[in-house]
Amino acid sequence: AQSVTQLGSHVSVSEGALVLLRCNYSSSVPPYLFWYVQYPNQGLQLLLKYTSAATLVKGINGFEAEFKKSETSFHLTKPSAHMSDAAEYFCAVSNTNAGKSTFGDGTTLTVKP
Amino acid sequence: NAGVTQTPKFQVLKTGQSMTLQCAQDMNHNSMYWYRQDPGMGLRLIYYSASEGTTDKGEVPNGYNVSRLNKREFSLRLESAAPSQTSVYFCASSTRQEIPQNTIYFGEGSWLTVV
Repeated sequence: AQSVTQLGSHVSVSEGALVLLRCNYSSSVPPYLFWYVQYPNQGLQLLLKYTSAATLVKGINGFEAEFKKSETSFHLTKPSAHMSDAAEYFCAVSNTNAGKSTFGDGTTLTVKP
Repeated sequence: NAGVTQTPKFQVLKTGQSMTLQCAQDMNHNSMYWYRQDPGMGLRLIYYSASEGTTDKGEVPNGYNVSRLNKREFSLRLESAAPSQTSVYFCASSTRQEIPQNTIYFGEGSWLTVV
């Protein structure tokens, strides 16, 4: 069984501030972990993915996420928020045995000027 | 590079009407999915198809049927639309040949309103 919990359905930051979006997972076998981003009126697109090759994963648009097995977490960060980062972000978990991914409920990021 | 293409993009239905959402992918993926997205409820899986010729229920299959027509196409049918089916629908696909498995590629969505 697998599940994902995203802490905070809405996060608001000022432009230039640190972005931190939280994701905790549960998986009975070693997981694959993903962050997807959804801009208004668009489909989801892959931001980054954890493959077990490295615990710190770098994605597009300056985002990165760190896999912490002891904390069962995969939080998404960006050092300096930009207005264009305003979107909804989804964390997802899968594994070698799963036929499909499980998504979190999403976190809406607002960036204030 | 089209990726996942779904049609129609927008549709308004009357209660009780039927319609089919079409989806096609050109990435030679084995697995295809239909999700619905509602405010505050994230993405919920309706049906998925792990390979051509197979389909399985997801979290919220009631009121829907699917057909995996061939490896490329996966359609979603609403037999008798209800207002509760007003939502944004996403088709998606993935392959086990990519590392990691199950990176999902989404279509751009279909906005359905049932009045």
